[in-house]
Amino acid sequence: DGGITQSPKYLFRKEGQNVTLSCEQNLNHDAMYWYRQDPGQGLRLIYYSQIVNDFQKGDIAEGYSVSREKKESFPLTVTSAQKNPTAFYLCASSHDTFYGYTFGSGTRLTVV
Amino acid sequence: AQSVTQLGSHVSVSEGALVLLRCNYSSSVPPYLFWYVQYPNQGLQLLLKYTTGATLVKGINGFEAEFKKSETSFHLTKPSAHMSDAAEYFCAVTLTDKLIFGTGTRLQVFP
Repeated sequence: DGGITQSPKYLFRKEGQNVTLSCEQNLNHDAMYWYRQDPGQGLRLIYYSQIVNDFQKGDIAEGYSVSREKKESFPLTVTSAQKNPTAFYLCASSHDTFYGYTFGSGTRLTVV
Repeated sequence: AQSVTQLGSHVSVSEGALVLLRCNYSSSVPPYLFWYVQYPNQGLQLLLKYTTGATLVKGINGFEAEFKKSETSFHLTKPSAHMSDAAEYFCAVTLTDKLIFGTGTRLQVFP
């Protein structure tokens, strides 16, 4: 079955360490997105990519980095520059916004 | 610029009662509109969408929404709530190459 996979589901890191969240899709979607979710704040866009080797900053890109070397993969790195990284991170992909997004099941990152 | 406002961060209903979750949008072009549902510690799942055509849209789990251009609204309804409907619901509108999401409404269903 086609879908979008995020791993790991739970991630714990010490403050000051970089951490990479994985997102893989086998839906043949061109576009991929990373959102951060905090209680009461809805979904905030971090980065998105429409095609391989190209990506754009979203509303809260500071302290994050991404790469898009393959169509199927869009990893997100949370760097030590992100001041408050503890959150629920959601990855999504889309063939076209006409169809909406398909979401992964999320990664909960806790920094201690 | 496109934006979405969801009125009421929390809504509580009794099992069997009508569910009404409100969404108003702002868009400079004819919008595509979506409702998503999120269960705890999971991703978002598409409930229904409006793109063109019929303004009353039916989705999964008995939900439906009506696009009202004059009111710039896209409210989500279900005639009879079930305990399993307890979740967070997000309204979204297209902005060229991405979706803009509302801040969500948490639905509680009491027995």
